[in-house]
Amino acid sequence: QVQLQESGPGLVKPSETLSLTCTVSGGSISSYYWSWIRQPPGKGLEWIGYIYYSGSTNYNPSLKSRVTISVDTSKNQFSLKLSSVTAADTAVYYCARVLITFGGVIVIFGAFDIWGQGTMVTVSS
Amino acid sequence: SYVLTQPPSVSVAPGQTARITCGGNNIGSKSVHWYQQKPGQAPVLVVYDDSDRPSGIPERFSGSNSGNTATLTISRVEAGDEADYYCQVWDSSSDHGGVFGGGTKLTVL
Repeated sequence: QVQLQESGPGLVKPSETLSLTCTVSGGSISSYYWSWIRQPPGKGLEWIGYIYYSGSTNYNPSLKSRVTISVDTSKNQFSLKLSSVTAADTAVYYCARVLITFGGVIVIFGAFDIWGQGTMVTVSS
Repeated sequence: SYVLTQPPSVSVAPGQTARITCGGNNIGSKSVHWYQQKPGQAPVLVVYDDSDRPSGIPERFSGSNSGNTATLTISRVEAGDEADYYCQVWDSSSDHGGVFGGGTKLTVL
């Protein structure tokens, strides 16, 4: 069965760049969309963005200027970079797989069916 | 951007039926997905595409979607169902961005 595992620093200084990696095991990263989602302490879920194994991306407009998601199919990994972080970026960061179907040439996005366990990132000096 | 509205909390006695709503403009035209999140754990998909259940999810979990409201129904509620529940859709009007509701805390009395 497919499993996801987030990794990266748990503490980032303000104004620096947060970098996380999600490793996909038990299956191929190909033919799926993959997302990053975060959850500030005591708050709800926020979608950050997604990437297709081919490299095409889409980001939350509220974060778009600071977010980059990339994929390394040779390592079965995808990554998140969030620049110029502040305390407001303190959160548990999850990676997740997006179910998709095709309506002709149109991609129909579905549920986040598999999630990583999440990794807590604190922004503090 | 598209907004999903959930009640902050719902309370129900064991054995009764819990209904958690998710409101959005013409949400009936979208596919709604529901997640259960227990403290300290990652969310788990419990209903997808309005009313389908992933394998391993009890039949007690069901969903419906029409008009401006989607509903997650949990029948014969058990103490282990106490959790936060989130609805989610894709907003085709904003380049297919993911949107989550604010979440509902289900308390089993």
